[in-house]
Amino acid sequence: AQSVTQPDIHITVSEGASLELRCNYSYGATPYLFWYVQSPGQGLQLLLKYFSGDTLVQGIKGFEAEFKRSQSSFNLRKPSVHWSDAAEYFCAVPDSWGKLQFGAGTQVVVTP
Amino acid sequence: DTAVSQTPKYLVTQMGNDKSIKCEQNLGHDTMYWYKQDSKKFLKIMFSYNNKELIINETVPNRFSPKSPDKAHLNLHINSLELGDSAVYFCASSQDTKANEQFFGPGTRLTVL
Repeated sequence: AQSVTQPDIHITVSEGASLELRCNYSYGATPYLFWYVQSPGQGLQLLLKYFSGDTLVQGIKGFEAEFKRSQSSFNLRKPSVHWSDAAEYFCAVPDSWGKLQFGAGTQVVVTP
Repeated sequence: DTAVSQTPKYLVTQMGNDKSIKCEQNLGHDTMYWYKQDSKKFLKIMFSYNNKELIINETVPNRFSPKSPDKAHLNLHINSLELGDSAVYFCASSQDTKANEQFFGPGTRLTVL
């Protein structure tokens, strides 16, 4: 069965600095991969998705992610964070029934 | 226009009560889901309906009963509420059961006292 691991529970980053969030997956075939963001008190919003093709995926809010099959990773990056990027970030992999397996989430704190 | 909406946003109730949470999507999607997010922010699927039929039923106490009157609505009824039911419940929808992106509602924060 597929699973998702987000090794970092909590990351603190200065405003304007770069951000990278790690995601590792366990899946037999090439997976579909998603990154969602949850702002405080809000629902989940899709940042980006990987289905196939180009392994570097561009998303909303200036985020990108790179699929690396050899490392079973799908890390999320942003070159310069804004205070509004403070949120919980979830990596997810769906099964063939559409059931999303979420990672435990990474909380991002942005300092001035 | 809100794509996936849930009511109520907050629900505070006593142990033993019965309560319902409603969800509606206006995206024309065939598949809808209920997820539970616990106090540690861990998200786990509870149920999924496709065209009003139950297709995913995770190990959830039978006090939880989903109902889908039509493709656009998926409600969650909870009987005999317990303290451990306190969580945020998210509704989501997707075009179909294949691995398409899911659109989430804003969540319902349930607090059982």
